[in-house]
Amino acid sequence: DQQVKQNSPSLSVQEGRISILNCDYTNSMFDYFLWYKKYPAEGPTFLISISSIKDKNEDGRFTVFLNKSAKHLSLHIVPSQPGDSAVYFCAARGYNNNDMRFGAGTRLTVKP
Amino acid sequence: GAGVSQSPSNKVTEKGKDVELRCDPISGHTALYWYRQSLGQGLEFLIYFQGNSAPDKSGLPSDRFSAERTGGSVSTLTIQRTQQEDSAVYLCASREVNNEQFFGPGTRLTVL
Repeated sequence: DQQVKQNSPSLSVQEGRISILNCDYTNSMFDYFLWYKKYPAEGPTFLISISSIKDKNEDGRFTVFLNKSAKHLSLHIVPSQPGDSAVYFCAARGYNNNDMRFGAGTRLTVKP
Repeated sequence: GAGVSQSPSNKVTEKGKDVELRCDPISGHTALYWYRQSLGQGLEFLIYFQGNSAPDKSGLPSDRFSAERTGGSVSTLTIQRTQQEDSAVYLCASREVNNEQFFGPGTRLTVL
């Protein structure tokens, strides 16, 4: 069951511009959301997270926005850099729920 | 560094053979997770350990899959009578309480 969906398998942006990666979820019990970044031949690495009590969390060039009513979150990267090129996974977890559900990932390519 | 390690990094096997995948979590991390990523798919939750016990085995796709964890540390994922659809990257992650998961580099399994 696809409880977390990333409908764009790929995204290409120019260096310096904004990258916006989107994620939708169906389970209203999810209350903690994370973004992971994955380079080829490496495991995913944690990037940024947001609790359901907030609607925005910012960390340097990365900002995650959460719209609970729409069950939608997005990751903004600005300005985008070539080193940001990777696959980005959205993940969600419910309170006291120990497994996370991941989206299929979006491959971001930042062109110099 | 003292990250999550997995072995082997690559495994090629013939259909019908058994395989064993190993995960060494970060020292002190009580929670350990197994996921797999099939081609073009997101991260699929398999099983979660808290200490040596597995309170959630709901993600194991069939009874050919089993996992154990000993000493609250190393975990092995065993796939019996492998099938071609088992081909995937198997990822292990560990975490401390209330922190994000740290992933290993994964084991790429190819079943011929």
